[in-house]
Parts: sequence; structure tokens; C-alpha cells
Amino acid sequence: QVQLKESGPGLVQPSQTLSLTCTVSGFSLTSNSVHWVRQPPGKGLEWVGAIWSGGSTDYNSALKSRLSISRDTSKSQVFLKMNSLQTEDTAIYFCTRIHYGGYGGFDYWGQGVMVTVSS
Amino acid sequence: DIQMTQSPASLSASLEEIVTITCQASQDIGNWLSWYQQKPGKSPQLLIYGATSLADGVPSRFSGSRSGTQYSLKISRLQVEDIGIYYCLQAYSAWTFGGGTKLELK
Repeated sequence: QVQLKESGPGLVQPSQTLSLTCTVSGFSLTSNSVHWVRQPPGKGLEWVGAIWSGGSTDYNSALKSRLSISRDTSKSQVFLKMNSLQTEDTAIYFCTRIHYGGYGGFDYWGQGVMVTVSS
Repeated sequence: DIQMTQSPASLSASLEEIVTITCQASQDIGNWLSWYQQKPGKSPQLLIYGATSLADGVPSRFSGSRSGTQYSLKISRLQVEDIGIYYCLQAYSAWTFGGGTKLELK
């Protein structure tokens, strides 16, 4: 069955770089796109970025200068790197995939990983 | 960037009541609109895609509709398991979530 699972450090110091991994199973990264969505504590959802089945990427315009998404198809893993972290980047980070039915919705989600930016 | 204005921000309703949540898009997004339910400590769950299509396994009391650039999620008979926070999402140009609606029991 389709599964996504995020992993990464729970605590990152300000100005440092965040590195997260999304490991997927039950589908191929060459057939489906994977997106990152984040949620600050007690707040709403924010789309972060995506890597498409062909390997191209799209980023939230507000984060683009600090963000990089890549993948290793042989390991079924997608990577998120965000530099110059600030306290406002503290959030739960989810990876998710595009719904087969089209129209850009997300059908399967990981459990999320909490990232705290603090010294 | 496309903005999604979701209302109300919070809603208190009784069991079996009809509940409606709306999202207003800042420009035409066609049917590139989906709805999600999120419960505390959990990931969002897809309810509606393509503005009106019910996702697999979602109870039929949930429905979506569109009138121009206004989109609505309707719960026909509120059940206790429907309590949570609801979000709309546009995917016409990049992706933008609405601010969320917290649904509570009266």
C-alpha cells in the first residue's frame, strides 16, 4: 500500500540548514510527484514545494531562495533542504503525493515530522 | 499569487445539523479545488477533489459545490467523527490553502 514517511532532526539552530527525507513505498517517484507541506504549531497549512515525476521542481515563491528539493529514485526518497532557518520555520513538515484523480489534490500523507528552530 | 479566503474561521454545530464551509478564490481556478479534514495530531485527509468529486472512502454526507469562484463544502448530517479543522486547497497556480475552519460540537 501507499506510504510516505518523513525523517530528520527535531531541532535545528537558527541560521542553519534543515535536511529532511521523505521515504515512499507503494508507488514510484517516476510516476507521481511528491510535495512538501508545513504547519506551524496551532496554525494552518502552507505548501512548501514539489518534485515532479520527471524530476523538475516547483517552490513556494516566499521560500524559493532558501529551498531545494531533490530525490533518489533508486531509494524511493525525496529530500528537502532549507537554509538560513529562522524561528518562523518551526513547524510540522509533511510529505504528500498528488491524487490520481487529477486537479492537484493530495491523497496520501506522511505522519509529519516536527522541526523546532531554536538555539 | 492566488488567495483563498475561507469562512467561517470557526463553527459550532449540533449533531445531525447541516454544516457549510466556503472558500472564495481571488481569481478563476476552475475545478482545481480540494477539501481536507484534519484531526488533532493527525495528517490532513482528502475529502473532495475537482471541487465536487468525493474521494475514496469518504462518507456520502460530504459534498462539494462551486459557484463561479466560490466553493463550498457541505456536511449533510453532522456526526461526532466530523469534528476537526477543514481546509480548502487550490492547485490552479502553485498551491494555496485556505485559512481553515475549526468545527466544534455545540
